[in-house]
Amino acid sequence: AQKVTQAQTEISVVEKEDVTLDCVYETRDTTYYLFWYKQPPSGELVFLIRRNSFDEQNEISGRYSWNFQKSTSSFNFTITASQVVDSAVYFCALSVPNAGNMLTFGGGTRLMVKP
Amino acid sequence: KAGVTQTPRYLIKTRGQQVTLSCSPISGHRSVSWYQQTPGQGLQFLFEYFSETQRNKGNFPGRFSGRQFSNSRSEMNVSTLELGDSALYLCASSLRTSITGELFFGEGSRLTVL
Repeated sequence: AQKVTQAQTEISVVEKEDVTLDCVYETRDTTYYLFWYKQPPSGELVFLIRRNSFDEQNEISGRYSWNFQKSTSSFNFTITASQVVDSAVYFCALSVPNAGNMLTFGGGTRLMVKP
Repeated sequence: KAGVTQTPRYLIKTRGQQVTLSCSPISGHRSVSWYQQTPGQGLQFLFEYFSETQRNKGNFPGRFSGRQFSNSRSEMNVSTLELGDSALYLCASSLRTSITGELFFGEGSRLTVL
């Protein structure tokens, strides 16, 4: 069975601060996929990134960056120079082959960016 | 390009009733997945349909069912509602049934059971 843990339930920062959201996962599969989704107040989940287990390269997209470390089973997400519009709930998720589009989500981290 | 559309957006039911929720995927998408989101249990996978066939099912009782039509629209039904069924039900569509594709979520149907 798969498990995703987001230990930080809520984080509050002031605009322009950097913030890192932690994600730790568990799976016995050697092939798996990791995701981050953003959930704004409107409710829909917005896809941010997908990584597969064979690609440990860190990725940067604008103010967003992701650090994937198989040795610690972590897939952390950093927002640089946070903005008020970044306020949302962020979910880390995991999927494995032969499970179709079934994602196992972490509990989410609510990020509040104050002006 | 229209996104994933879920109806109704909000509804209130009483215990013992049944409810049907609808999801229209993005045009051309053939996979529709359903998730339940509650404060206590978080986001949990309900089931996935692809080409009118259920491909995967989460750990939910048989009161939760779904179907997919030939135009890829999907419905989910919950019978004999319980208070614990109060949740945001999210639908996601994808081109394929493999997870290598991106999931596109709707804004959800918020169900309150009284």
